[in-house]
Amino acid sequence: DTAVSQTPKYLVTQMGNDKSIKCEQNLGHDTMYWYKQDSKKFLKIMFSYNNKELIINETVPNRFSPKSPDKAHLNLHINSLELGDSAVYFCASSPNLGQFGYTFGSGTRLTVV
Amino acid sequence: GQNIDQPTEMTATEGAIVQINCTYQTSGFNGLFWYQQHAGEAPTFLSYNVLDGLEEKGRFSSFLSRSKGYSYLLLKELQMKDSASYLCAVSETNDMRFGAGTRLTVKP
Repeated sequence: DTAVSQTPKYLVTQMGNDKSIKCEQNLGHDTMYWYKQDSKKFLKIMFSYNNKELIINETVPNRFSPKSPDKAHLNLHINSLELGDSAVYFCASSPNLGQFGYTFGSGTRLTVV
Repeated sequence: GQNIDQPTEMTATEGAIVQINCTYQTSGFNGLFWYQQHAGEAPTFLSYNVLDGLEEKGRFSSFLSRSKGYSYLLLKELQMKDSASYLCAVSETNDMRFGAGTRLTVKP
């Protein structure tokens, strides 16, 4: 069983479109995260959700919105996609907020054309 | 803010030992993590230090000095499959922040 699964693995879309990336974890973890890894391979935190509450909202554009129907799911919605949004987006989870090792999903490579 | 610095690239020979250094500045320190990331794949957890000293796990060891804001990852008996990026990450109260990663190339 995959611990943290995210879909789709690849996403190619045009500028201005709205898209969603889904993430699910079956580890029973309380906290889930979204990270963005740009072309320079730098992983940056975007959002954290702990027990369905948004804990961190870094200075990301409000075109990005996390949605968590339950603690096992954290989806990422992106409106009005821009060229600069092209990156690999990783979902991750941890037992508690900011503690212990994270388990990452396999990543979603988003290409905006 | 929080700075995490590590070398951009390193090269080593198969069978050798390599040490990847990481320095950091942070508050609310909960631990220092090392992750391995192969090209096109997700980061995978390697090691975790919360107290000063050396943690050994097989061919990999990690060291932490909290007073110096310094850690290193030591890889012994290098294998070709160890060619990857190694990410230093600091856990704070609310999240984990990553360094830019060190790309290690292992040559025959």
